[in-house]
Amino acid sequence: DIQMTQSPSSLSASVGDRITITCRASQAIGNSLAWFQQKPGKAPKSLIDAASRLQSGVPSKFSGSGSGTDFTLTISSLQPEDFATYYCHQYKSYPFTFGGGTKVEIK
Amino acid sequence: EEQLVESGGGLVQPGGSLRLSCAASGFTFSDHLMDWVRQAPGKGLEWVGRSRTKSNSYSTEYAASVKGRFTVSRDESKNLLYLQMNSLKTEDTAVYYCGSGRPGAGPLGHWGQGTLVTVSA
Repeated sequence: DIQMTQSPSSLSASVGDRITITCRASQAIGNSLAWFQQKPGKAPKSLIDAASRLQSGVPSKFSGSGSGTDFTLTISSLQPEDFATYYCHQYKSYPFTFGGGTKVEIK
Repeated sequence: EEQLVESGGGLVQPGGSLRLSCAASGFTFSDHLMDWVRQAPGKGLEWVGRSRTKSNSYSTEYAASVKGRFTVSRDESKNLLYLQMNSLKTEDTAVYYCGSGRPGAGPLGHWGQGTLVTVSA
């Protein structure tokens, strides 16, 4: 199975900060990577697929990059509604797997 | 508007069975990939299984943790996705989500609200 390692597992940041979350795959997955945002008690929401393609309706402050084994999710200017847990997800090969999540908290 | 609504969760004893449903609307059900994902209380996301599209005969894939116990299927006439869960274990306790992926895009572009399954004596 492909292991997905996210870092950090949590971070504290202030409104207006730029943050970057990293996701590393245990083997190359091309660009078959998605990012999801989840708020407490809610279903996850798709942000990005194909490593860098923004989903319809997702603000441009979110961006994704990378290919192969190393990927990043960047939020350019954190707003109160962005405090949530973020997950990466590989869909290159079965069984599909998720990263462990990165909880973004208010400093 | 694309919408997914899960139902069928509840309390079941270890070794029991349960069938979850996911009602799809607002899109062409037969040409979307459909996945089940679960989340144990306080834990991260775990992919459970997939139903491919009609053109791929609705073939399926499963996580190792559920293979042989869970079955994903569809009723195209009713736009329903199912997850039949047998031989349930306490570690299957989770919120179960269905998600859809449109043609040419990644998986899980849309998610349902989830349904809670509790396996306990």
